[in-house]
Amino acid sequence: NAGVTQTPKFRVLKTGQSMTLLCAQDMNHEYMYWYRQDPGMGLRLIHYSVGEGTTAKGEVPDGYNVSRLKKQNFLLGLESAAPSQTSVYFCASSPTEKDTDTQYFGPGTRLTVL
Amino acid sequence: RKEVEQDPGPFNVPEGATVAFNCTYSNSASQSFFWYRQDCRKEPKLLMSVYSSGNEDGRFTAQLNRASQYISLLIRDSKLSDSATYLCAVNIGDSWGKFQFGAGTQVVVTP
Repeated sequence: NAGVTQTPKFRVLKTGQSMTLLCAQDMNHEYMYWYRQDPGMGLRLIHYSVGEGTTAKGEVPDGYNVSRLKKQNFLLGLESAAPSQTSVYFCASSPTEKDTDTQYFGPGTRLTVL
Repeated sequence: RKEVEQDPGPFNVPEGATVAFNCTYSNSASQSFFWYRQDCRKEPKLLMSVYSSGNEDGRFTAQLNRASQYISLLIRDSKLSDSATYLCAVNIGDSWGKFQFGAGTQVVVTP
């Protein structure tokens, strides 16, 4: 049981390049989330998904796209990276049952856009 | 105004002392509250849920004050290993499973 995994762990991009971050969870969770964390800003929700085939915008969705083709995977795409997207990206998942509505985080991806 | 606010600290605490800090939230419809711990350059990990009646887990006590819309975390007998950033998480009342996180309170326990 690996929990939530993220690939890659680190990446450096040049402005305008594209990339996809992969999040995978093996806990059969319905909900999955992508956050970014910047100094002094805390975690900000980019996009989330309430189940396979569904996605929704979070607080800061601009410049990102997501897909949830399989229940266990949630992909975050940057089509044309900008320096403002330099951040640490965390994926998380959670079950839907009310009493266990907690989030489990992956180890993060550190992205630098030059 | 941020919807979830925390004092960023740092709270410098002598080993063995008690430290407490709060997290305020603006959405009165919020139903679920949590404290997460985040070590430097690591992912947040759930520390404890916060229940209406308050709850305790070893040296950690969490309280919820709905009237004043804040949650609190108290750490007794602080250990060096308690040094971390503590994030509060509050669900967005109109959407189950969707949370907002505070920016975190840094705690530094000194020998």
